[in-house]
Amino acid sequence: GQQLNQSPQSMFIQEGEDVSMNCTSSSIFNTWLWYKQDPGEGPVLLIALYKAGELTSNGRLTAQFGITRKDSFLNISASIPSDVGIYFCAGGLNYGGSQGNLIFGKGTKLSVKP
Amino acid sequence: DAGVIQSPRHEVTEMGQEVTLRCKPISGHDYLFWYRQTMMRGLELLIYFNNNVPIDDSGMPEDRFSAKMPNASFSTLKIQPSEPRDSAVYFCASSRAGYEQYFGPGTRLTVT
Repeated sequence: GQQLNQSPQSMFIQEGEDVSMNCTSSSIFNTWLWYKQDPGEGPVLLIALYKAGELTSNGRLTAQFGITRKDSFLNISASIPSDVGIYFCAGGLNYGGSQGNLIFGKGTKLSVKP
Repeated sequence: DAGVIQSPRHEVTEMGQEVTLRCKPISGHDYLFWYRQTMMRGLELLIYFNNNVPIDDSGMPEDRFSAKMPNASFSTLKIQPSEPRDSAVYFCASSRAGYEQYFGPGTRLTVT
């Protein structure tokens, strides 16, 4: 089945630093989404991408839909403490013209540098 | 607008007992998804509905799991009998004819 490889698995941030993470797959997806999950909460949708090559921003977050449709990138500029959490990528497929389900990566955990 | 509502938020039960998790999707959303999240396996899709009809239940682990959606504003996920390996966080999500799924706060299930 389809699998998403998300990297890095974890990283430490210092306030003000830029952060980058990515998601790759051997399969082609029609949609890429990025979610953030805080402890004890459900994932929250950050950005949705629907077109290969698309670059979309949401505040300090910028995500890109890879041109090959097999990858996506998320960048966070000028990180702040509340950026800490787990970031998930998700790829979506269409089956027979109706919505397919999402395949989720294992997440990138962002923590504050000690 | 109210988001996805799940109840209970926490459930502790003994092995062999029946467990029922509940979900109210966002009004107007016609897709509803049930996920399970564990450290080992991450987020796994269990089943999803479109217009109250189950579309794909291939992720349901075994016959002990069942899900229903009797109307557009309510769904249940039932485990009978429950086992310790069912301990996980169960999420419900809904969407409006697209991939942008909105998640509820989850139900943390502990089976002892």
